Amino acid sequence: DAKTTQPPSMDCAEGRAANLPCNHSTISGNEYVYWYRQIHSQGPQYIIHGLKNNETNEMASLIITEDRKSSTLILPHATLRDTAVYYCIVRVWDNAGNMLTFGGGTRLMVKP
Amino acid sequence: DTGVSQDPRHKITKRGQNVTFRCDPISEHNRLYWYRQTLGQGPEFLTYFQNEAQLEKSRLLSDRFSAERPKGSFSTLEIQRTEQGDSAMYLCASSPDSHLIGNIQYFGAGTRLSVL
Repeated sequence: DAKTTQPPSMDCAEGRAANLPCNHSTISGNEYVYWYRQIHSQGPQYIIHGLKNNETNEMASLIITEDRKSSTLILPHATLRDTAVYYCIVRVWDNAGNMLTFGGGTRLMVKP
Repeated sequence: DTGVSQDPRHKITKRGQNVTFRCDPISEHNRLYWYRQTLGQGPEFLTYFQNEAQLEKSRLLSDRFSAERPKGSFSTLEIQRTEQGDSAMYLCASSPDSHLIGNIQYFGAGTRLSVL
């Protein structure tokens, strides 16, 4: 699986958009970008995934650059409950059931 | 609540004791994973089951660790002769066996182990 690079921490004002970047310059053509987050004392929670098109769901939007070497997770209106560690993971979409490889993630602090 | 249950939530034990954790996955999920997470780090993969078959094990899973999923439903993770270095959060995740889903994993809240 491709290696990802994320800033270790970010701050965001409550109600503003949180934009979390991820670099994955060695991504392969068959690898997807997944985002999970982990709120303190809880297990990781799936947020969104994508291949090359931008994706949106009820939690967030995922913007993937045209060359697929980087992506941005957008929380449109961050709340205090969005304070968490956000993990960007790149892996093959397959049926093999392999593990997720977590890096250090970005610690997002949403401030009032 | 993701539907993945882990028990107990917290376990304090003395070095050298054996401990066992239980994970109940989402009922229709064939795949079950165990991860370990130490303070300030992301989760690290330990092992994976497809139904009752243990298909993959990490090098982190020393011979003091054993995992089972006897009927393809719940799973147990046992640590024998615990060491202080085993102190961590042990996370369980499950996912459906569906190519359409792309191995999205749903995690439990974890069991926090403290070895004194």
